[in-house]
Amino acid sequence: GEDVEQSLFLSVREGDSSVINCTYTDSSSTYLYWYKQEPGAGLQLLTYIFSNMDMKQDQRLTVLLNKKDKHLSLRIADTQTGDSAIYFCAESSRGGGFKTIFGAGTRLFVKA
Amino acid sequence: DTEVTQTPKHLVMGMTNKKSLKCEQHMGHRAMYWYKQKAKKPPELMFVYSYEKLSINESVPSRFSPECPNSSLLNLHLHALQPEDSALYLCASSAAGGRVRYNEQFFGPGTRLTVL
Repeated sequence: GEDVEQSLFLSVREGDSSVINCTYTDSSSTYLYWYKQEPGAGLQLLTYIFSNMDMKQDQRLTVLLNKKDKHLSLRIADTQTGDSAIYFCAESSRGGGFKTIFGAGTRLFVKA
Repeated sequence: DTEVTQTPKHLVMGMTNKKSLKCEQHMGHRAMYWYKQKAKKPPELMFVYSYEKLSINESVPSRFSPECPNSSLLNLHLHALQPEDSALYLCASSAAGGRVRYNEQFFGPGTRLTVL
């Protein structure tokens, strides 16, 4: 079945760039997403990329997609302490209807 | 208004109690979801309603009973729960309906449920 994998923990210094990586198995994945979850809160969509794109940039966020290797990354430039949260990679496919498959989440810790 | 609201924020219940979780959105979304999230785990899909009809039930035990009284409201009725059902219950909504393409989901803050 479909699977999405992420490393569980990342620690960076304030002002550095953070790179969170994700791999997925479903070759029919149409959209790939990055969601952010702060403590005690629901998930918030940060950005998404369509599978026919290689890169998408949105202010401090850059998403890179390597469809051949089924690898997705999220780069956060100039990481701030407010970026500390759990980041979920997720995918949905055209044939999957409403189902979005989430990875386990990467906990980002930003040191001041 | 891009908010999904959930009540209550916290709920403690015994195994013989009956309680309900409520979710509301006023974004005109026609798909609404219930997820269960255990600590340090991703959300697990439980149910999806599309145009007020149950579209997906991920083999959830019958002690969880969803209800969608109208396009803005989603309830989750709880009865005879077990301690292992303790989790954060998240509601979400999306504009997608019918043939789904880009499926941005808007999540509520969740209800933290503890079953004693």
